[in-house]
Amino acid sequence: EVQLVESGGGLVQPGGSLRLSCAASGFTFNSYWMHWVRQTPEKGLVWVSRIDTGGSSLVYADSVKGRFTISRDNARNTLYLQMDSLGAEDTAIYYCARNPRGAYFDLWGRGTLVTVSS
Amino acid sequence: QSALTQPASVSGSPGQSITVSCTGTSSDVGGYNYVSWYQQHPGKAPKLMISEVSNRPSGVSDRFSGSKSGNTASLTISGLQAEDEADYYCSSYTTSSTLIFGGGTKLTVL
Repeated sequence: EVQLVESGGGLVQPGGSLRLSCAASGFTFNSYWMHWVRQTPEKGLVWVSRIDTGGSSLVYADSVKGRFTISRDNARNTLYLQMDSLGAEDTAIYYCARNPRGAYFDLWGRGTLVTVSS
Repeated sequence: QSALTQPASVSGSPGQSITVSCTGTSSDVGGYNYVSWYQQHPGKAPKLMISEVSNRPSGVSDRFSGSKSGNTASLTISGLQAEDEADYYCSSYTTSSTLIFGGGTKLTVL
């Protein structure tokens, strides 16, 4: 089955760190650019970061630049998001999404909830 | 960068047509044919409905169509059905090589 499954979310204190994972299956993972997108009730969907097929080209939203690091392990078919210096504004559902070409997402995971609170 | 501008809500009766607008700038919507639209039902992941302004993925009903004029993109749903009730988001590529979403539009089928 073609799918993306996120994990690693949870409750973390302000200033803390968390690493999210996104396991891909059913397709050739190393052929796709991958993204992280987060969602809150207040802001809706917000794009976070993108990584190219080889992991050498990385792009971040200004709101997470310098705090978040996107990476991938093509041997393990897994995408990661290392999140440091977390604040309340980072509380959200985090989705990983597949980007076949251009700038759209044809496959999304079910999301993992990150809550930043003391 | 601020989100693309979408109406907070739209509504229509079964069988009618509705249009959701998505307004950006020449640095995003107006500058590229990389506008996409997503449907999201409560508690579910977003689903791609339209890519690259007007391309409909396999499996998406032909009642859904997309277009763009200048800095504004539009999603039109014809022959409204109860199952179309959901949140709809537009997205665009930007000159900063990032992506930006709209604030989302809640569609109510009366």
